[in-house]
Amino acid sequence: GENVEQHPSTLSVQEGDSAVIKCTYSDSASNYFPWYKQELGKRPQLIIDIRSNVGEKKDQRIAVTLNKTAKHFSLHITETQPEDSAVYFCAASESWGSGNTGKLIFGQGTTLQVKP
Amino acid sequence: DGGITQSPKYLFRKEGQNVTLSCEQNLNHDAMYWYRQDPGQGLRLIYYSQIVNDFQKGDIAEGYSVSREKKESFPLTVTSAQKNPTAFYLCASSIGQTNTEAFFGQGTRLTVV
Repeated sequence: GENVEQHPSTLSVQEGDSAVIKCTYSDSASNYFPWYKQELGKRPQLIIDIRSNVGEKKDQRIAVTLNKTAKHFSLHITETQPEDSAVYFCAASESWGSGNTGKLIFGQGTTLQVKP
Repeated sequence: DGGITQSPKYLFRKEGQNVTLSCEQNLNHDAMYWYRQDPGQGLRLIYYSQIVNDFQKGDIAEGYSVSREKKESFPLTVTSAQKNPTAFYLCASSIGQTNTEAFFGQGTRLTVV
């Protein structure tokens, strides 16, 4: 089955700097890669996602890149702010149908701290 | 007000007792999931369901059971066979049949006393 590895487990940056979180996945059938942000005491919420037919996607200060050949994808946050401090999770999901289940498998999470 | 609701928020259980966590959604989603969250281990999949009356084991299903009798509901029972049940449990749902955003409930923190 799918296995998702996420690095680093903790990341501390100065306000205004960039932050990069990397994930690798094992199942070449995976074709959907979302990123979730979980603030302390709250539920995870989707911040950006990318599908396998796209190499890069950007939404304001956040971007995600995907390398299907190498089976890795990354989250990039530019101009970090203290409110970006949270736990970030990557995930991978295979397509539905044709014997696939579409289940969503998460990485171990990265605790990002942005110092003012 | 649409969403996914878990109850209770906090739950205490004595060793040897079964306990059921509730998860209800009114988003008309086909797919529902249960995850367990432990520090440093991310979200680990316990069970998932693609459609009513069908569900599959995830990576850590031992000691847990689920049912999916209604589209809106996907309760999780933590049985006495689960060796280390103290954790934060998250339920999620998504449209299904295609890869889209999963929406999470607010979670249930289970503590064995």
